[in-house]
Amino acid sequence: EVQLVQSGAEVKKPGESLKISCKASGYSFTSNWIAWVRQMPGKGLEWMGIILPGKSDTRVSPSFQGQVTFSADTSLTTAYLQWNSLKASDTATYFCARQATRGESDYWGQGTLIIVSS
Amino acid sequence: DIQMTQSPSSLSASVGDRVTITCRASQTISNYLNWYQQKPGKAPKLLIYAAFNLQGGVPSRFSGGGSGTNFTLTISSLQPEDSATYYCQQSHTPPQTFGQGTKVE
Repeated sequence: EVQLVQSGAEVKKPGESLKISCKASGYSFTSNWIAWVRQMPGKGLEWMGIILPGKSDTRVSPSFQGQVTFSADTSLTTAYLQWNSLKASDTATYFCARQATRGESDYWGQGTLIIVSS
Repeated sequence: DIQMTQSPSSLSASVGDRVTITCRASQTISNYLNWYQQKPGKAPKLLIYAAFNLQGGVPSRFSGGGSGTNFTLTISSLQPEDSATYYCQQSHTPPQTFGQGTKVE
């Protein structure tokens, strides 16, 4: 069974760094792109970008370029989303999702809520 | 970026009604169009991929259509459990943009 399990909620201060995780199981981790999607409180879905584990090939939305970093550890079958300096506007729920052959996200993590507040 | 525009933004319907949501792309995306359902506090769920393919386990009352720039999601007989927000997404070109969502009540 394909599963994506994300790390737990975080409360951080502006300027702090953070790395959240997405643990994949039930399929060949290096065969599918992993997408990251942001959902700000009460708002819609925003596509942040994708990473192909193993090759570390990435595609980042211009809206998030330079703001976040995608990475993956194939030995742990885990993808990561990282910030070097959080802002209050990063407060949101972040989802990871497996991409299938036509780019559809067929399996999703449960989401990680990030609250950035002084 | 390819802009995705959904209409309506929200709708209210009765059990058994036929409901159609439309999604328009700002440029042609062939059939690289996906539909998701999201309930409050939950992750999105894939309903339709590549414009008209029903994802496994999704009830057959859901169907998708269209190609190029104009697409539809139809619920043939609305059920109470279909109350949710529905999003289209193009996966033709990064960034793989979502529509703004349609809330179905």
